[in-house]
Amino acid sequence: DIQMTQSPASLSASLEEIVTITCQASQDIGNYLSWYQQKLGKSPQLLIHSATSLADGVPSRFSGSRSGTQYSLKINRLQVEDTGIYYCLQHYSAPRTFGGGTKLELK
Amino acid sequence: EVQLKESGPGLVQPSQTLSLTCTVSGFSLTDYSVHWVRQPPGKGLEWMGVMWSGGSTAYNSALKSRLSISRDTSKSQVFLKMNSLQTEDTAIYYCTRGGIFDYWGQGVMVTVSS
Repeated sequence: DIQMTQSPASLSASLEEIVTITCQASQDIGNYLSWYQQKLGKSPQLLIHSATSLADGVPSRFSGSRSGTQYSLKINRLQVEDTGIYYCLQHYSAPRTFGGGTKLELK
Repeated sequence: EVQLKESGPGLVQPSQTLSLTCTVSGFSLTDYSVHWVRQPPGKGLEWMGVMWSGGSTAYNSALKSRLSISRDTSKSQVFLKMNSLQTEDTAIYYCTRGGIFDYWGQGVMVTVSS
């Protein structure tokens, strides 16, 4: 199975700050990587797919990048509504695997 | 409009079988896969298994011996059955549209308790 190692597990940042979350895949998954935001009591919502493509309706301050088997989610100019838990997912092969999650809070 | 909705019992007794239904609209089960994902309270997301658009399935190896996923395309429904439930199976159960999990149901909370 492909392992997705996500870091950090938690993060506290200030308004307008730049935030970066990373996922390391245990093997090559190409661009088959998505990012999700989950707010308390809600279903996860797709932010980024295909490693770098912004999902419909997602603010442009969110972006995704890839360097080999390391994937990053960047949030420019953090806003209050960006707090929550972020997950990566590899959809290269079954079994699908999620990263462990990053809890993002406002400082 | 694409929608997925999970339904099923909120409470299941230990050692019993869980049966959940995911009813979809706005797309065809023969065009998209549907995956099941669960989330224990306060924990992360765990992929459980998938009904592929062609009708075959794949399962999380940790659950494979207890889990079965099927579908009724005429009713746009995907079914999850998991037996021998234990307290560790208490979780919110979601269905989501594959390949990029772009749409999710609202989830159904299942508590395993006597």
